[in-house]
Amino acid sequence: EIVLTQSPGTLSLSPGERATLSCRASQSVRSTYLAWYQQRPGQAPRLVIYGGSSRATGIPDRFSGSGSGTDFTLTISRLEPEDSAVYYCQCQQYDISPALYTFGPGTKVDIK
Amino acid sequence: QVQLQESGPGLVKPSGTLSLTCAVSGVSISDINWCSWVRQPPGKGLEWIGEIHPRGTTKYNPPLKSRVTMSLDTSKNHFSLELSSVNAADTAVYYCARHVAVPTTRGFDVWGQGTMVTVSS
Repeated sequence: EIVLTQSPGTLSLSPGERATLSCRASQSVRSTYLAWYQQRPGQAPRLVIYGGSSRATGIPDRFSGSGSGTDFTLTISRLEPEDSAVYYCQCQQYDISPALYTFGPGTKVDIK
Repeated sequence: QVQLQESGPGLVKPSGTLSLTCAVSGVSISDINWCSWVRQPPGKGLEWIGEIHPRGTTKYNPPLKSRVTMSLDTSKNHFSLELSSVNAADTAVYYCARHVAVPTTRGFDVWGQGTMVTVSS
């Protein structure tokens, strides 16, 4: 089973700064099987990036996803106060049956 | 647009069965893509429980497989989750979510608001 590790655990930045969130997999992941979610307190997760690098509907272009193999990154180019949230990466492990979905432990982004 | 809404008892006794439904609106359940159940214990991360296809095919996360049953009811346009032999570790917010319909990509693009289930006597 693939294990996803996210770093850092918490990121404290100011508005306008750039945030770089890392997601590392214990084994290679098909890049199009990688997604990122934003979860604000008390809310359901919201899809930010699917298929590794495609922005979901309504997601501003300051969010971008990249990576391949075992290393993936979510970048928020110019932080805004509403970006304060926990961000989770997720992948599907397709080479086993059933094909499992796994979430990372999350990175909390604090906007100072 | 497609919307999902979970419902069910907020309190379940230990060793009992947790039963939740996910009502689908905006599309026929026969036409919706794969859907999953995901749970989140208080203050913790997300755990995938399993998925169901509109034709009824199911796949479950192995640690929960022996206790999970997912089904769908096309007449009521909803799908259901049952989790048996619950204990305190099953206390969580339970979400249903739709999978993106873009081929060869993955992601859950529509989520319900979640429903909190507490396991306690």
